[in-house]
Amino acid sequence: GENVEQHPSTLSVQEGDSAVIKCTYSDSASNYFPWYKQELGKRPQLIIDIRSNVGEKKDQRIAVTLNKTAKHFSLHITETQPEDSAVYFCAATPHSGGGADGLTFGKGTHLIIQP
Amino acid sequence: GAVVSQHPSWVICKSGTSVKIECRSLDFQATTMFWYRQFPKQSLMLMATSNEGSKATYEQGVEKDKFLINHASLTLSTLTVTSAHPEDSSFYICSARDLSSYNEQFFGPGTRLTVL
Repeated sequence: GENVEQHPSTLSVQEGDSAVIKCTYSDSASNYFPWYKQELGKRPQLIIDIRSNVGEKKDQRIAVTLNKTAKHFSLHITETQPEDSAVYFCAATPHSGGGADGLTFGKGTHLIIQP
Repeated sequence: GAVVSQHPSWVICKSGTSVKIECRSLDFQATTMFWYRQFPKQSLMLMATSNEGSKATYEQGVEKDKFLINHASLTLSTLTVTSAHPEDSSFYICSARDLSSYNEQFFGPGTRLTVL
């Protein structure tokens, strides 16, 4: 099965600086890589995702890069703000056509934005 | 966007009792729903895949006789934790896949289960 490693487990950055979270995966069949933000006691919220036919995707302050050869993908947040403080999870899943594959999550990164 | 609801949002029960959690897709049909469990300060772990009209597929290490899943309609899946024990206390989150949105999964708000 798939195994997703995520680093770092905790990341503290000054407000306005950039934050980078990295993930690696093991299953070469994986081709969908979402990133979720989760606040305490709440559901995970999709913030950006990328598919294997794309190397990079950007949405305002958030970007994701994917290197399929190396099996790693990264989340980049620029101009960080206090409301970016949360736990971020990367995930991976293969798309088998039937669409019945659940997500394998990384262990999460607690992002702390220092004012 | 697609909306998924869960009920109840939290439940406290005595050890040995059974608890049923409902997951509904409110504005789309979901042939497949997923059940995840999240212990405090940990990640989400996939427990099982719920398929409408057929048996659920369980992940390795998840007891199918303890965690009963029923997906009787295209908008409802239920997870029943049978003979719950304190170690089953966790945050249970469902998700549903909207076929029109490729692989994106929409998560329910979660159910906090506390077994005394």
